[in-house]
Amino acid sequence: KNEVEQSPQNLTAQEGEFITINCSYSVGISALHWLQQHPGGGIVSLFMLSSGKKKHGRLIATINIQEKHSSLHITASHPRDSAVYICAVRPDKLIFGTGTRLQVFP
Amino acid sequence: GAVVSQHPSWVICKSGTSVKIECRSLDFQATTMFWYRQFPKQSLMLMATSNEGSKATYEQGVEKDKFLINHASLTLSTLTVTSAHPEDSSFYICSAPDWGRNTGELFFGEGSRLTVL
Repeated sequence: KNEVEQSPQNLTAQEGEFITINCSYSVGISALHWLQQHPGGGIVSLFMLSSGKKKHGRLIATINIQEKHSSLHITASHPRDSAVYICAVRPDKLIFGTGTRLQVFP
Repeated sequence: GAVVSQHPSWVICKSGTSVKIECRSLDFQATTMFWYRQFPKQSLMLMATSNEGSKATYEQGVEKDKFLINHASLTLSTLTVTSAHPEDSSFYICSAPDWGRNTGELFFGEGSRLTVL
């Protein structure tokens, strides 16, 4: 069993829909990261969380340390949000989830 | 924001040749850089931690002589895939934390796609 599990693996949405991507982990962590990987491969850091909730534009990330669970929400999704979203946790070194491939259609 | 640049973004080489990939921190000093490998539709796998002025720390199962890492300055780490074979074809990406920001934020290079013929 992977230490970091993401769901769903693939997600398609219509433009404007509210998107939720989930991440569960089984190890103790000091931080959790949400990353966005574009089709070309480049990776952008979206959030780093150790507790609570963070918001940046249309993106919201939450974490529940007791339940070892985090969610990434995208409000009013847009085709440019199409990417792979990766959850990574840091006990010491980063452990990556396999990612959620999101496609948003106009 | 902090920028990490990786070069080349893609490379095709013949089996048996060596390929060097560079990872530069453009506007901050990176005493530590991380090298990852990613196979299609799989998660990133840490290969090694590159430390400026000292030897890299390799993860279990990663051949040190195969994947040579040099971190000669505070802004540059290089990964050399020696005597490349088709099974080395993969996406390689580096990251560097900007400890000066004290935010724990991650900064990644653009990645390098290696194809060995």
